[in-house]
Amino acid sequence: GAVVSQHPSWVICKSGTSVKIECRSLDFQATTMFWYRQFPKQSLMLMATSNEGSKATYEQGVEKDKFLINHASLTLSTLTVTSAHPEDSSFYICSAPTGGAGKLFFGSGTQLSVL
Amino acid sequence: AQSVTQPDIHITVSEGASLELRCNYSYGATPYLFWYVQSPGQGLQLLLKYFSGDTLVQGIKGFEAEFKRSQSSFNLRKPSVHWSDAAEYFCAVGLNYGGSQGNLIFGKGTKLSVKP
Repeated sequence: GAVVSQHPSWVICKSGTSVKIECRSLDFQATTMFWYRQFPKQSLMLMATSNEGSKATYEQGVEKDKFLINHASLTLSTLTVTSAHPEDSSFYICSAPTGGAGKLFFGSGTQLSVL
Repeated sequence: AQSVTQPDIHITVSEGASLELRCNYSYGATPYLFWYVQSPGQGLQLLLKYFSGDTLVQGIKGFEAEFKRSQSSFNLRKPSVHWSDAAEYFCAVGLNYGGSQGNLIFGKGTKLSVKP
């Protein structure tokens, strides 16, 4: 099946720094990618929809300036957590659709820990 | 508001025993329903999905799920569990599927442990 690669798998950073997470579709093109966030013991929450060549669409309550999304090519979307704070510590996961309905492939996720 | 409830946070079953993971949803329209599995260190993998038609859906790895509209449920079942089934399982509802495919609402997940 299709493969979505997400990097890094985990990252530890100091408060105030920015962290970039990459999501790549390895064997297919993805004009759309999705970014989710999961707090411990909670559901995955859709943060934003990344669109190749245009601005991302953010879900209500998600700060656009905090979570910068760039979808520069058909195989790469990046999420940058700017000026990270401890409350941004979470598990971030991307996904990309391919094929028919229901064909949504997920990356392996990134555990962000902000000290 | 739409929501997905997985009442069991953690379930332990013996290898070879049957399994049922519960999922209830709250959604005003006909739902699109999904079950995903996440093994340690790996991404989410789609097990099966229901859009319409036969309410008993067959998935990969021997899993099946039954949509019961009257109970707003979509429980996942497997007749005989294997040790490799130990993972976290997520139920999800797809919203306005004709539009964005990413509008999934996930349950909190059920962690499955398998005893030898």
